Amino acid sequence: AQSVTQPDIHITVSEGASLELRCNYSYGATPYLFWYVQSPGQGLQLLLKYFSGDTLVQGIKGFEAEFKRSQSSFNLRKPSVHWSDAAEYFCAVGTHGQNFVFGPGTRLSVLP
Amino acid sequence: NAGVTQTPKFQVLKTGQSMTLQCAQDMNHEYMSWYRQDPGMGLRLIHYSVGAGITDQGEVPNGYNVSRSTTEDFPLRLLSAAPSQTSVYFCASSSAGLGDYNEQFFGPGTRLTVL
Repeated sequence: AQSVTQPDIHITVSEGASLELRCNYSYGATPYLFWYVQSPGQGLQLLLKYFSGDTLVQGIKGFEAEFKRSQSSFNLRKPSVHWSDAAEYFCAVGTHGQNFVFGPGTRLSVLP
Repeated sequence: NAGVTQTPKFQVLKTGQSMTLQCAQDMNHEYMSWYRQDPGMGLRLIHYSVGAGITDQGEVPNGYNVSRSTTEDFPLRLLSAAPSQTSVYFCASSSAGLGDYNEQFFGPGTRLTVL
């Protein structure tokens, strides 16, 4: 069965520091990978997605992610974090139809 | 466009009560789904629909019913609420593309507490 793991439950970084959120997946077919962000009390917003092609994908708000098939990973990065980036981040893999399997999420706190 | 809307935003039920969570989208999306979000578990799929009149079960369907009579609406029914159904519920929609994966648009969520 498909699964997504996000090893870090909670990460704290200082504003201006770089960020990397880890995501590993298990899926037998070609993965379709997504990162969503959820601000407190809000719904989910798509940051970026990977279907095929260039393994480094750019998203909104200055985020990028790199797909590494050999490591079954799709880590999210940002070179300089802003206080407004504090939120919960979810990695997801697209499965049959249009359904997703989500990871448990990583909560990001940003120190001033 | 309003996107995906959900009502109510908050709801408190007693064990055994029934209710319907409403979801509507105005993007003419064929694909709609319901997820529940619980701490440390991400979002888990409850039911989904690939078009009007077609629904199917997701990962955690027990205790929930759905129907899809129109493209726009996809209500989720709790027939007899249980404390284990305390959660935040999200509705999502996307344009279906065979063999393709499109962005899912999420509603703002309904926070349900069952006492």
